[in-house]
Amino acid sequence: NAGVTQTPKFQVLKTGQSMTLQCAQDMNHNSMYWYRQDPGMGLRLIYYSASEGTTDKGEVPNGYNVSRLNKREFSLRLESAAPSQTSVYFCASRIPLGEQYFGPGTRLTVT
Amino acid sequence: DQQVKQNSPSLSVQEGRISILNCDYTNSMFDYFLWYKKYPAEGPTFLISISSIKDKNEDGRFTVFLNKSAKHLSLHIVPSQPGDSAVYFCAAVGYNNNDMRFGAGTRLTVKP
Repeated sequence: NAGVTQTPKFQVLKTGQSMTLQCAQDMNHNSMYWYRQDPGMGLRLIYYSASEGTTDKGEVPNGYNVSRLNKREFSLRLESAAPSQTSVYFCASRIPLGEQYFGPGTRLTVT
Repeated sequence: DQQVKQNSPSLSVQEGRISILNCDYTNSMFDYFLWYKKYPAEGPTFLISISSIKDKNEDGRFTVFLNKSAKHLSLHIVPSQPGDSAVYFCAAVGYNNNDMRFGAGTRLTVKP
C-alpha cells in the first residue's frame, strides 16, 4: 500500500496563477483532509471531507476550493495564488474514530 | 481562534531523562486527543491517542495524560532518546466529528 500520496512535491507559482494539488489514498478511508503548515502556526485545517460527496470548511478556507472526486481522491485548488499562500500543504486520511495518516507534503512558493 | 495550544515552541532534554510536552484546549466538545511526531520534510506520523473516558494511556516509552477539568493533556517520553528529536503536535477532535485541530507544535531536542 502506498498510503497517502501527494503531487506535486514542489511548486513555484506567480501571483494570480492557479493550480491544483492532488491527493490520493489507498486505505479505503472515508475522511480526508487538507492542512497547511506555517512556522509558528502548526497545522491549520483548510477543508475536510467526511465522505465521498461531502466537503466542509476548516479554520482557513479562504482562497481555496476542494473536490472530493471519489473515495480515493481529494484535490485542493488555488484559483488565484497569493504570496500568503506560500506554505507546506499536507493531505491526510483518517480511520473511523481514529488517527490520521498524512502524505509527504507539497511545498508551494508563490512569488 | 486557536482551539488547541502548545505554548512551548521548543524543549531540550538530556538523553535518558524524561521529556514532558504540554497541550491545552479550549473547546469542551473535544473528546479524542492525539499526538503526532514530525521529522523535517516528512508528513506527521501518529504516535499515541487518548479518549476522554480515560485519564492515561501508555504505549512503551510514551504516556499521554488527560486532565479534562483543566482542559490539559501532556505527553511523557521516558527515557528520551536522540531519535525522539522531532516536532510534536497535539491534536483534538469531537466524537463522531471529523474536524480535527492541531496545536502549533513543540520542537523536542534530545541531547546525547
